[in-house]
Amino acid sequence: DSGVTQTPKHLITATGQRVTLRCSPRSGDLSVYWYQQSLDQGLQFLIQYYNGEERAKGNILERFSAQQFPDLHSELNLSSLELGDSALYFCASSSGAGNTIYFGEGSWLTVV
Amino acid sequence: TQLLEQSPQFLSIQEGENLTVYCNSSSVFSSLQWYRQEPGEGPVLLVTVVTGGEVKKLKRLTFQFGDARKDSSLHITAAQPGDTGLYLCAGIFSGTYKYIFGTGTRLKVLA
Repeated sequence: DSGVTQTPKHLITATGQRVTLRCSPRSGDLSVYWYQQSLDQGLQFLIQYYNGEERAKGNILERFSAQQFPDLHSELNLSSLELGDSALYFCASSSGAGNTIYFGEGSWLTVV
Repeated sequence: TQLLEQSPQFLSIQEGENLTVYCNSSSVFSSLQWYRQEPGEGPVLLVTVVTGGEVKKLKRLTFQFGDARKDSSLHITAAQPGDTGLYLCAGIFSGTYKYIFGTGTRLKVLA
């Protein structure tokens, strides 16, 4: 158990809908990262937050947004969903840049 | 664009064979990690290398960080079926906060 909690574990939704994925980082970790992993693909970096502020942005679509709240949990919002958004979405956390990053078990999103 | 290329992309070998996986970039890493990922699970950290030329061993796995901190390798000795999985390198490029993953090497070890 990495200490990073993601919910929901599985989600099936229709095209055009909107979903929210939630992540609780390890206790004491200030950084939260979001990644997307499509079937048989590597992990694509989406976005990183540090203590509530956006720190780095990757190839995140405009239909996607995220935030980190004062209690340090984070949410990834995916809207106007398309079939191609079906993927495993991982959240990870660390205590800061250069420190070990721990991954949650992921949220499986299936868009039908 | 900062990229992490891994090679080979796929590798299927017999139990007992040795193998090496490579991770290359044109940019310098401030630190680099190797992960192993099983299907449907999150990546699990194997090792972190920080210093150029550093070599770390984890049982049958040997990790090496290039002198210029732009590349790394993972060598597995006497591979076992339990080594099967997706191996990923990842790191933060110097001067950025982005934590980028390599393209991955999918290893299958046949009994």
